[in-house]
Amino acid sequence: QVQLVESGGGVVQPGRSLRLSCTASGFTFRNYGMHWVRQAPGKGLEWVAGVWYDGSDKYNADSVKGRFVITRDNSKNTLFLQINSLRAEDTAVYYCAREFINDALDLWGQGTMVTVSS
Amino acid sequence: HSALTQPASVSGSPGQSITISCTGTSSDVGGYNLVSWYQQRPGRAPNFLIYEVHKRPSGVSNRFSGSKSGNTASLRISGLQAEDEADYYCCSYAGDNTLVFGGGTKLTVL
Repeated sequence: QVQLVESGGGVVQPGRSLRLSCTASGFTFRNYGMHWVRQAPGKGLEWVAGVWYDGSDKYNADSVKGRFVITRDNSKNTLFLQINSLRAEDTAVYYCAREFINDALDLWGQGTMVTVSS
Repeated sequence: HSALTQPASVSGSPGQSITISCTGTSSDVGGYNLVSWYQQRPGRAPNFLIYEVHKRPSGVSNRFSGSKSGNTASLRISGLQAEDEADYYCCSYAGDNTLVFGGGTKLTVL
C-alpha cells in the first residue's frame, strides 16, 4: 500500500551524527518532492527540510542550516536526513512527508524518535 | 520565520461549529495562497485536511473548510463530532522554498 516508513532513530550523545531514512512504497517516489518535519516531545510541528522530486534543489529551516542535510536516492525509493553535531534540542520525532502540491504534505510516515542525551 | 500564531485551545459541543485561526505575516500567510491544515491525534502522524487555503483533498469530510483574510487563515469545522478531538496545525509557504507551521490548537469536544 501507499506508505512511508522512517528508520534510524535512537539515543545519541550530543555532538554525534545520525542518518535517518524514509522508505517509500506504493507510489512513484521520483515524481514527488519530499520533506522532513519534526516534533519535540509535547510540542508542535516544525518543518526541517525539503528536497525537489529529482534531488536537484534542497532547502533547510534556518534553525538547522549547516547541520542537517536532506538527500534522496530515487533508485531505492528512499529519503535521507543527515543530522550532524546533535544537540539536546534536536530531540524529537522526525516525520518524512510527501508533497502533494504546492508544499501541502499529503502522506506522512509514522515517525522515528531521536533522543539526544549523554 | 517565527511560528504562525494559533490559539492554544478551542472547544465546542457535538453538532456545533468552531473556527481555528492562524495568524502570520505578509511574508507567509498573507503573501501566498499556500496555507494547509493538518489534524493530529495523540501518538499519531498528522493527517492532511486542507491545501491552498480552502481546497479539500478527496476523502476529507466537507465539514472541514478553510479560508483566509489578509495575514490570517482559518479552519472551520462544522457539525462537531467526538472523533474531531485532536490537535490542529496550520502551515504556510514562507518564501525561498521554506515552510512554517503554527504552534497548534487543541480541540476539545465537550
